[in-house]
Amino acid sequence: GAVVSQHPSWVICKSGTSVKIECRSLDFQATTMFWYRQFPKQSLMLMATSNEGSKATYEQGVEKDKFLINHASLTLSTLTVTSAHPEDSSFYICSARGGGAREQYFGPGTRLTVT
Amino acid sequence: QKEVEQDPGPLSVPEGAIVSLNCTYSNSAFQYFMWYRQYSRKGPELLMYTYSSGNKEDGRFTAQVDKSSKYISLFIRDSQPSDSATYLCAMSLAGATNKLIFGTGTLLAVQP
Repeated sequence: GAVVSQHPSWVICKSGTSVKIECRSLDFQATTMFWYRQFPKQSLMLMATSNEGSKATYEQGVEKDKFLINHASLTLSTLTVTSAHPEDSSFYICSARGGGAREQYFGPGTRLTVT
Repeated sequence: QKEVEQDPGPLSVPEGAIVSLNCTYSNSAFQYFMWYRQYSRKGPELLMYTYSSGNKEDGRFTAQVDKSSKYISLFIRDSQPSDSATYLCAMSLAGATNKLIFGTGTLLAVQP
């Protein structure tokens, strides 16, 4: 099956700093990547959709200047949480989809804790 | 009304039981249906993917789509403790760029 990796799996940072999370598709070309956020015991909340080489499309209510997304290649997308605050602490999960496919394959997630 | 409704559970069954997980939806234009399994503190894993109505079987798992009733199901036969997880249904419209709409997830516990 399709494999998606994320790095780091867990990060702690101080309030006001920025954190970058990487998402890689290891065995397929991901024309589209998605970034989700998940709070405990809740479902996935889509933050943004990115297509390779294009600007990301953000969901309503998601600050694009705070959550910077770059999808520079067909195997790599990054999410940078800028000027992180404790309320940004959450589980961030990326997913990837190949060209023409409907199903998404998810990474293992990154747990961000902002102190 | 949410686009996709899913009973949050928790659902507790004994090992070996047949499990039925369900989702209902309101948008009749949904064409693609998926079931994901998510273990605690992990990313979701794709279990089943179906297009339009009908049944699909893969090992102990059977996915069923009834578009006339706007209802999808996932059946797990001979359930195992390792099946204990949250199960998320997801669906999307026909367009290539359409995003997945997720249910809230059902927490399943299979007791040994």
